Amino acid sequence: AQSVTQLDSHVSVSEGTPVLLRCNYSSSYSPSLFWYVQHPNKGLQLLLKYTSAATLVKGINGFEAEFKKSETSFHLTKPSAHMSDAAEYFCVVSDFSGGYNKLIFGAGTRLAVHP
Amino acid sequence: DVKVTQSSRYLVKRTGEKVFLECVQDMDHENMFWYRQDPGLGLRLIYFSYDVKMKEKGDIPEGYSVSREKKERFSLILESASTNQTSMYLCASRDRGDTGELFFGEGSRLTVL
Repeated sequence: AQSVTQLDSHVSVSEGTPVLLRCNYSSSYSPSLFWYVQHPNKGLQLLLKYTSAATLVKGINGFEAEFKKSETSFHLTKPSAHMSDAAEYFCVVSDFSGGYNKLIFGAGTRLAVHP
Repeated sequence: DVKVTQSSRYLVKRTGEKVFLECVQDMDHENMFWYRQDPGLGLRLIYFSYDVKMKEKGDIPEGYSVSREKKERFSLILESASTNQTSMYLCASRDRGDTGELFFGEGSRLTVL
């Protein structure tokens, strides 16, 4: 079965500094991978997705992620954090076992951005 | 603007009560999902439906049931609520296809006393 591990439960950065949210996955085949963001009291919104095309994926709000098969990683980055980036971020992998495409969510990383 | 609407944002119920959580999507999506979100555990799939009147168990279906009588509506039912079902419940929908984006509602926070 597929699984995903987010290596940090909390990340704190200063406004204007880079953001790195780490994600490792386990998959027995070439996976589809996603990052979702959840702002306080809101539902989840898709940031970006990887589906076996280019390994560097660009998403909304200046975020990007790089698929590295050799490291089984899909880390999320942003060059310069903004206060509005404070939210919880979920790394997600597709699981096709059982004949249906289910999405497996990581435990989440809460990003705090300080002035 | 595409939309998934969960009718109740906050509910407080007593142990043993029957609870209905309603979800409606306006995107004509085939697939609908119910997740439970708990701190440190991410989102866990309770049930999903890939067509009207069809349903499949997710990873944590115990204590829950679902109903999908119309394409746009997917209901989660707690037959007899228990305190360990206190949680945030998220509904999502997705169009046909394996790599489609999930669209989420804003969630229903249920407290069972």
